[in-house]
Amino acid sequence: DTGVSQDPRHKITKRGQNVTFRCDPISEHNRLYWYRQTLGQGPEFLTYFQNEAQLEKSRLLSDRFSAERPKGSFSTLEIQRTEQGDSAMYLCASSLVAGATDTQYFGPGTRLTVL
Amino acid sequence: AQSVTQLDSHVSVSEGTPVLLRCNYSSSYSPSLFWYVQHPNKGLQLLLKYTSAATLVKGINGFEAEFKKSETSFHLTKPSAHMSDAAEYFCVIYTGGFKTIFGAGTRLFVKA
Repeated sequence: DTGVSQDPRHKITKRGQNVTFRCDPISEHNRLYWYRQTLGQGPEFLTYFQNEAQLEKSRLLSDRFSAERPKGSFSTLEIQRTEQGDSAMYLCASSLVAGATDTQYFGPGTRLTVL
Repeated sequence: AQSVTQLDSHVSVSEGTPVLLRCNYSSSYSPSLFWYVQHPNKGLQLLLKYTSAATLVKGINGFEAEFKKSETSFHLTKPSAHMSDAAEYFCVIYTGGFKTIFGAGTRLFVKA
C-alpha cells in the first residue's frame, strides 16, 4: 500500500499561467476528492469523483478550475489563468465507500504559490 | 445543516500532561466523526473515527475520543503528551454523499 501520492509537491507560477496537479489514489479506491487548504484553515471541499464520474463541485470551483479522472484511476486538477488568490495547499484524498461511512486517506498535498 | 466547531484554536500543554482537544458537532442525522492530525509540511493522517459503534473510540498514538450525543461532542484526549504530538488537529464530520466538513483546526503546542 503506497498511499495517496500527489505531484508536484510544490509549484510556483506567475499570475495568468496555467497549472496542472496530479493525484494517484490508493489502488481500488472508488472515490477521489480534491480539497483546498489556506493558511490557518481546515480543508475545504472542491470536488469529488465516484470512479470516473465527477458527481459534485463546490461553488469555490470557478470556471477556471477543471478536474478529470479518466478511467477512474488518477486525477488531474487544472487551474487556468491563475490568480494570487489561488495560492493554497491542494489536497487529494481517496476512499473506498463501504456502508454509511467514508474514511478518506489524504495525500501530502501540492502547495501552489502564485506570484 | 451539518457543522463542526473546534472550541480552541490553540492548546498548550507540558510534556507528560493530559491533552484535551474539544469538538462540538451539529447534525440532523447520525454522523460519522473523525479526527485527523497534520504535522508541518505533511499530509493529513487519520487518528480515529466514530461510526455509530462503540462511543469510546481508540486511535493511533494513544489518542482516544468519546462520542457524546447528549452533548453533541467528540472531544479528543490523550493521557500523556509527547513532544511529537505537536501538530494541527482537525475534527471532521461526514453525513453522507460527499458531505465532509472540517473544523477550523486546533494547534497543539507541547512544552518540554
